[in-house]
Amino acid sequence: DTEVTQTPKHLVMGMTNKKSLKCEQHMGHRAMYWYKQKAKKPPELMFVYSYEKLSINESVPSRFSPECPNSSLLNLHLHALQPEDSALYLCASSQAVSETQYFGPGTRLLVL
Amino acid sequence: EDKVVQSPLSLVVHEGDTVTLNCSYEVTNFRSLLWYKQEKKAPTFLFMLTSSGIEKKSGRLSSILDKKELSSILNITATQTGDSAIYLCAVKLNSGYALNFGKGTSLLVTP
Repeated sequence: DTEVTQTPKHLVMGMTNKKSLKCEQHMGHRAMYWYKQKAKKPPELMFVYSYEKLSINESVPSRFSPECPNSSLLNLHLHALQPEDSALYLCASSQAVSETQYFGPGTRLLVL
Repeated sequence: EDKVVQSPLSLVVHEGDTVTLNCSYEVTNFRSLLWYKQEKKAPTFLFMLTSSGIEKKSGRLSSILDKKELSSILNITATQTGDSAIYLCAVKLNSGYALNFGKGTSLLVTP
């Protein structure tokens, strides 16, 4: 089973809203990732958690705030987003940071 | 600067054709090369290649890595309309956490 689930599938929010994206995996993977993908572009890494600790933050604005409550869950809290933040947000996980990453179905976010 | 280049950027073929997609890389500290298929949403893992010259195969798809030429190819034989997707090549380094993605090849298989 290589399933990573994400909710919601779609999200529309205003620039003053606060929302959260959720990601879950039950493969026992110890590394989890958030990527952002704009149309016709490859995914860009935002955050990496390894053993529930934030390992990397790729210069992402503070209006994006990740959280890893436990080894199976990864959240991305959104606050005061801009229209240019509209994109597909992908979660991925891997056995360890050096191993193959498996992606979830993504959340398509539209910021109005 | 690490670079992953895919070619062609887009391709239109007829059902039944065979296609070859290319990925070349210029990176320091190479660990592995991965191929993903992306349809409407998530990239789906296809292959991970670490050793040169060893073909990985899954049904009509196969892939091989050439470390001397710093490249990989992905072959799809007897293409079907369901193969229409963007195929992403990504390189993993020994250092760092990121997958370095190419821009992808958009494949359209027409009936």
